[in-house]
Amino acid sequence: AQTVTQSQPEMSVQEAETVTLSCTYDTSESNYYLFWYKQPPSRQMILVIRQEAYKQQNATENRFSVNFQKAAKSFSLKISDSQLGDTAMYFCALKAAGNKLTFGGGTRVLVKP
Amino acid sequence: GAGVSQSPSNKVTEKGKDVELRCDPISGHTALYWYRQRLGQGLEFLIYFQGNSAPDKSGLPSDRFSAERTGESVSTLTIQRTQQEDSAVYLCASSLRVNTEAFFGQGTRLTVV
Repeated sequence: AQTVTQSQPEMSVQEAETVTLSCTYDTSESNYYLFWYKQPPSRQMILVIRQEAYKQQNATENRFSVNFQKAAKSFSLKISDSQLGDTAMYFCALKAAGNKLTFGGGTRVLVKP
Repeated sequence: GAGVSQSPSNKVTEKGKDVELRCDPISGHTALYWYRQRLGQGLEFLIYFQGNSAPDKSGLPSDRFSAERTGESVSTLTIQRTQQEDSAVYLCASSLRVNTEAFFGQGTRLTVV
């Protein structure tokens, strides 16, 4: 079985500041992939960043970066220089053998002006 | 089409009626996923298909829910004898391989009155 846990239901951050979202996961697979998705009020799910478990280097996409700690099964997302458009729900997700995709419960991020 | 297409966008139905929700995945995507999202909540896994078979149906809430996929393409989620607690957004996603992201449709908002 694979599980994903996001322990922070809501986070708020001032514009231009940095916020970090937590995610822990569990899987018995050795080869898997991790993702962060963003869901703005429009409801459309958008991929933010992805990480291959076999890569030690943390993924980075512009203002978004991850801290991947494989031994601890932790995959946190850091949003730097937060912008008003970053206000959304953020979901951590795990994909492993068989292509099953499992999501965490989500963290609501509010960027304040 | 270029993306995942879901129809209808919105559906209002009377309690006790049956509904069918349709998902057209991106052409060539072998995996197809169904999730339910209640207002302000996370993604609740329902079922996923790898090709035309469903390795995991564990998320289907009751025997009123069923899904099928034909020709490694279109999928239909059927809810029989709808109840008010079935009201939610139903999201569909598709993915090419285990190491690739899943792309989401816009969802079907189901309201049972």
